[in-house]
Amino acid sequence: AQSVAQPEDQVNVAEGNPLTVKCTYSVSGNPYLFWYVQYPNRGLQFLLKYITGDNLVKGSYGFEAEFNKSQTSFHLKKPSALVSDSALYFCAVRDPNQGGKLIFGQGTELSVKP
Amino acid sequence: SAVISQKPSRDICQRGTSLTIQCQVDSQVTMMFWYRQQPGQSLTLIATANQGSEATYESGFVIDKFPISRPNLTFSTLTVSNMSPEDSSIYLCSVITPGEKLFFGSGTQLSVL
Repeated sequence: AQSVAQPEDQVNVAEGNPLTVKCTYSVSGNPYLFWYVQYPNRGLQFLLKYITGDNLVKGSYGFEAEFNKSQTSFHLKKPSALVSDSALYFCAVRDPNQGGKLIFGQGTELSVKP
Repeated sequence: SAVISQKPSRDICQRGTSLTIQCQVDSQVTMMFWYRQQPGQSLTLIATANQGSEATYESGFVIDKFPISRPNLTFSTLTVSNMSPEDSSIYLCSVITPGEKLFFGSGTQLSVL
């Protein structure tokens, strides 16, 4: 069965420092992987995706993620965090052999302090 | 990209009533989905809305409780029937574009008293 794990409920970083939000997955075959961000009282915004190709994927707002097949991970990263990056981040996986549905991780609350 | 208009954005409803949520997309999309996000939790897929046929429901969700319509490739509705306080959640529609990007509507925040 497909699953996604975000091992950290919350990540705290200081503004200007690099940030990492972790995600591991379990799916048969080659997964499609996604990161979404949710700001308070707003819907989900697409950040980036990995389907195939270069393992390092660059997305919106300076975020990037690295696909690591051997570790079944897709960690979200940003070299220099901003206070405005504070939000709830969701990792999601899609098994293309099972239609278009996404399986979401439980979410990680990112807090960036000035 | 796809622009999704979802309404209502929020509603407060009485127990036992029903609410229909609308999702309008600015372009034709093959796949549309409905998700639920319960307070403090992640998103769970309710069903895939199929154009011209019955929706495909995930385990734990049934058509009598969450009837879905999809009359064309740009529009879908989700009805939350016979509501109880446990149905208080954010409901989101989602679409997949030809470029394999998944977009979400802004969500409907439902509170059931």
